[in-house]
Amino acid sequence: KQEVTQIPAALSVPEGENLVLNCSFTDSAIYNLQWFRQDPGKGLTSLLLIQSSQREQTSGRLNASLDKSSGRSTLYIAASQPGDSATYLCAVKEETSGSRLTFGEGTQLTVNP
Amino acid sequence: GAVVSQHPSWVICKSGTSVKIECRSLDFQATTMFWYRQFPKQSLMLMATSNEGSKATYEQGVEKDKFLINHASLTLSTLTVTSAHPEDSSFYICSVRSQGGLGTDTQYFGPGTRLTVL
Repeated sequence: KQEVTQIPAALSVPEGENLVLNCSFTDSAIYNLQWFRQDPGKGLTSLLLIQSSQREQTSGRLNASLDKSSGRSTLYIAASQPGDSATYLCAVKEETSGSRLTFGEGTQLTVNP
Repeated sequence: GAVVSQHPSWVICKSGTSVKIECRSLDFQATTMFWYRQFPKQSLMLMATSNEGSKATYEQGVEKDKFLINHASLTLSTLTVTSAHPEDSSFYICSVRSQGGLGTDTQYFGPGTRLTVL
């Protein structure tokens, strides 16, 4: 059974700092990995999707990497801003599970002005 | 990406009543939708896969008679929580499956519905 773990569970940083969020998964037979943002009481916003054949994806100040063989992904946020404060979730789609996504429990990020 | 709406955005009901939550795909036809549940400080747990014109597929441990899913059209899926109890209080989120070119397979999520059962 696929298990997704995110470390740390919570993170508080001053504005402007670069930071890294970690995601690990137990079964490396994944189809893709996705990073989402969730604001309090809201749905999910997709940030980056990395196919299993890719090593990284970038969007603005965000960079996500994927090491499939070791079961790890990182989300790098450059020059953090207070507006980045949210919960960040990673989810994996397994090769054999159809469209099923398995989510981690998230990292709650607070960027202090 | 696809636009997904949910209605209502929040609902408070008495224990024992039934509550219906709607999930709509506003800009494309979705043969497959998903229903998730999220408890406070926890992640999303898949409850069921909703297939247009056929029965939903429920995850292990999810009671199909308690959580009724209907996907009667390509743009609407409904989740009815029957005889709701306080332990059913949660954040319910739906998503729609979009299969695009080059083998892409993506889910787009709705804004969620906060259910509180008194």
